[in-house]
Amino acid sequence: ILNVEQSPQSLHVQEGDSTNFTCSFPSSNFYALHWYRWETAKSPEALFVMTLNGDEKKKGRISATLNTKEGYSYLYIKGSQPEDSATYLCAYPSGGSYIPTFGRGTSLIVHP
Amino acid sequence: DTGVSQNPRHKITKRGQNVTFRCDPISEHNRLYWYRQTLGQGPEFLTYFQNEAQLEKSRLLSDRFSAERPKGSFSTLEIQRTEQGDSAMYLCASSLAPPVAEQYFGPGTRLTVT
Repeated sequence: ILNVEQSPQSLHVQEGDSTNFTCSFPSSNFYALHWYRWETAKSPEALFVMTLNGDEKKKGRISATLNTKEGYSYLYIKGSQPEDSATYLCAYPSGGSYIPTFGRGTSLIVHP
Repeated sequence: DTGVSQNPRHKITKRGQNVTFRCDPISEHNRLYWYRQTLGQGPEFLTYFQNEAQLEKSRLLSDRFSAERPKGSFSTLEIQRTEQGDSAMYLCASSLAPPVAEQYFGPGTRLTVT
């Protein structure tokens, strides 16, 4: 069983705060690391696919970094808005079939 | 394409009954996955198809669970003799070639077994 850990489990911030959370994964046999956002009553939606050590990707106020040598990725949200409230999941594909193992997610609530 | 769809969105059933869920993936995606998600957990892999072939099943998938993807298009997940422990959100996702291709998820089917 692969260990894909996310922290913190939940986070409450005020509108305008910047925040970050972590996904840690096995550092051997790395292929890719995926980030998803899952808003209540909607489908999980892909945010980023990270493939190279040192990768940094950005989409609006959200960015992510990747360190494959030490096995972690950070997701940053700058100036959080209430619409950023969601569960953020990371997924680590592994094995010959690249089956993704998901972390438990970080639940973010942004208070207006 | 309108994305991945799942039906029904909610299902309430009595213990011991059989239920079937349907997933319609994005048409050009050859991979289709089924996951189960319970409160406080991330999606847990159940099984996946490459076109019409079911290539891997998780140990979570007991013999009461069966999945099909006839002709490599839509897929069904059937649970026989449901148990209360089967209550969960069942998610379907489709993608192009992994490990880089992102998955596109359906809205899920919420199963409640009473």
